[in-house]
Formats: sequence, structure tokens, C-alpha cells
Amino acid sequence: DAGVIQSPRHEVTEMGQEVTLRCKPISGHNSLFWYRQTMMRGLELLIYFNNNVPIDDSGMPEDRFSAKMPNASFSTLKIQPSEPRDSAVYFCASSLVLAGGYEQYFGPGTRLTVT
Amino acid sequence: GDSVTQMEGPVTLSEEAFLTINCTYTATGYPSLFWYVQYPGEGLQLLLKATKADDKGSNKGFEATYRKETTSFHLEKGSVQVSDSAVYFCALSERETSGSRLTFGEGTQLTVNP
Repeated sequence: DAGVIQSPRHEVTEMGQEVTLRCKPISGHNSLFWYRQTMMRGLELLIYFNNNVPIDDSGMPEDRFSAKMPNASFSTLKIQPSEPRDSAVYFCASSLVLAGGYEQYFGPGTRLTVT
Repeated sequence: GDSVTQMEGPVTLSEEAFLTINCTYTATGYPSLFWYVQYPGEGLQLLLKATKADDKGSNKGFEATYRKETTSFHLEKGSVQVSDSAVYFCALSERETSGSRLTFGEGTQLTVNP
């Protein structure tokens, strides 16, 4: 299996620009998670989906952030407009929800720098 | 709510030393427990897991035992290598209260010197 695929791996943009991060989960998985990691805040869960439906978006920092999952094999996280404080590594993870364990499989991350 | 507490880092060891990273948890039910490892510049990787009390998870020489009586899941390795240098995260998942989401600890940075 190819694992969770994220693109781009690195993104540098200017403040005010729109940024779109993409994720392809592992085939057959039915849950998808978006995380943000910074030195100051550590690992934060932004939003997660079960069967393409957003279940909990309480971690989304503000209205500038939005996430979609139009089908089981694709999700996007959009920031509009971007700000320097959004600079972080954004991870996507997927999981197959079964009784007995809910391990998540992480992608390599997108390193976002907003100048 | 659920929570995970890890020993504070960073931890610095010499090669072949014994490693313990403490992890304790708070949960209302019967969670599954996990250790993840993050190497520099990479995403988190599942290292090992345990789904019920007294289970022992093991992988790559690392072990952790699910201790319900002490609500702990300490990570151990008998002889660390330089290549084990990474950040280690303890996590739990409690289906009844949190669905498929994981609750992570703060992470413990491990550096192994030759």
C-alpha cells in the first residue's frame, strides 16, 4: 500500500494568499484526520471525518480554515487568507474503524511557511 | 475527559543504555493504547499497541504493557541505538466516548549518543 499521500510536501506563500493542502487516505480506510504541529503548541487535531462526514471540527482555529472530503479517497484543508501564525507542519492521517483498536496512519506532512 | 501524561523530555542516553519513557492515562472506559514515533522531518509512525489490560505490545525491540491497575503504558527498550533518536508519543483511543479519535501525550524527545 502506498500509505497516506499528502501534497504539496512544502508550501511557501505570502500572507493573505489562499493555501490548499491535499490528502489521499489509505484505500479502504473510513476515517480521516487533519492535524497541525508546531513547536509551541505541539500536535493539535483540527478536524476529523468518518465516512466522509465531518464529525468534530472544534479544533479548527477560526473561520479562515475549512476542510472538505468530497469522496472516500480525497480531502482538502484550505486556509484563506493565510497568516504568518499558520506556519506549521500539517499532517493528514487515516484509520479503519474496527472494534479493538483505532490506530491511525500518518502521511509525511506538508510544511507550510507563510511570510 | 480522556488525557495522556508522558514523562517530560528531553531524554539523552548513550548507545546500548536502557530506555524507559513513562506514560499514564485517564479514561472513563477501556481504551486502546498506542506508542507512536516521529523521526526528524517525518510523520508519526505506529510503533506498538495494546488493546486490553495485560496485553504487551512489542516492535523493533520496544515493549509496553497495558497496566489497568496503574493506568500506565510505559515504553521500554533494553539497548537503544543512535537510530532510535526521535520523538515518542503515547496515545489512547476510547471508542465509547471519542469514536475514532486519538488523545496524544505531549511527546518525549529522545537523543541517543554514540
